[in-house]
Amino acid sequence: GAGVSQTPSNKVTEKGKYVELRCDPISGHTALYWYRQSLGQGPEFLIYFQGTGAADDSGLPNDRFFAVRPEGSVSTLKIQRTERGDSAVYLCASSLTALGSGSTEAFFGQGTRLTVV
Amino acid sequence: AQKVTQAQTEISVVEKEDVTLDCVYETRDTTYYLFWYKQPPSGELVFLIRRNSFDEQNEISGRYSWNFQKSTSSFNFTITASQVVDSAVYFCALSFFRRDDKIIFGKGTRLHILP
Repeated sequence: GAGVSQTPSNKVTEKGKYVELRCDPISGHTALYWYRQSLGQGPEFLIYFQGTGAADDSGLPNDRFFAVRPEGSVSTLKIQRTERGDSAVYLCASSLTALGSGSTEAFFGQGTRLTVV
Repeated sequence: AQKVTQAQTEISVVEKEDVTLDCVYETRDTTYYLFWYKQPPSGELVFLIRRNSFDEQNEISGRYSWNFQKSTSSFNFTITASQVVDSAVYFCALSFFRRDDKIIFGKGTRLHILP
């Protein structure tokens, strides 16, 4: 597709359950990012992939959060034993090359709104 | 510390008025990039501008203009002759040359343009 696609757009889950959030980046974009946006806050960095590997996962809050990008395109963010505090909008972004090159910008998807009840 | 501060949480102006959104940043890096993103109710972050720290020229794009001043670590955004469609949350953000490759966002300013 033309833009970054995230599915589902909304997800309601019970506390303690496992969830997977999917991101389809723009075709050809090597860099992929996950951010989390809580209500009234700016997006906060979770993890960055360059190709298939996680180049920086320093933003993942704890070991319940994990992300993969096995073929260097689609990525899945996985959250185990969800807690009510995990409720937020999870945003995915992709860029043609690494942002640090200064030659590109990140394009964001519309996000997945996760609600843990 | 690497930080972006948007002191204005919420602003309301009447349509056709000019409005300036403030952004102050902190970094020890000498090469960095500054961004503005717009987040309409649909939730998607829409890229507006990227500025390299070496380029302090002000930029104008239609009704939008940006004022970058390294001396005050500010990167302010002005909308001239505002329109209802400008209503959104606007985020100022910071990233770094060849390092970390993450974007640090401010908390955003919610802008209401009243008809």
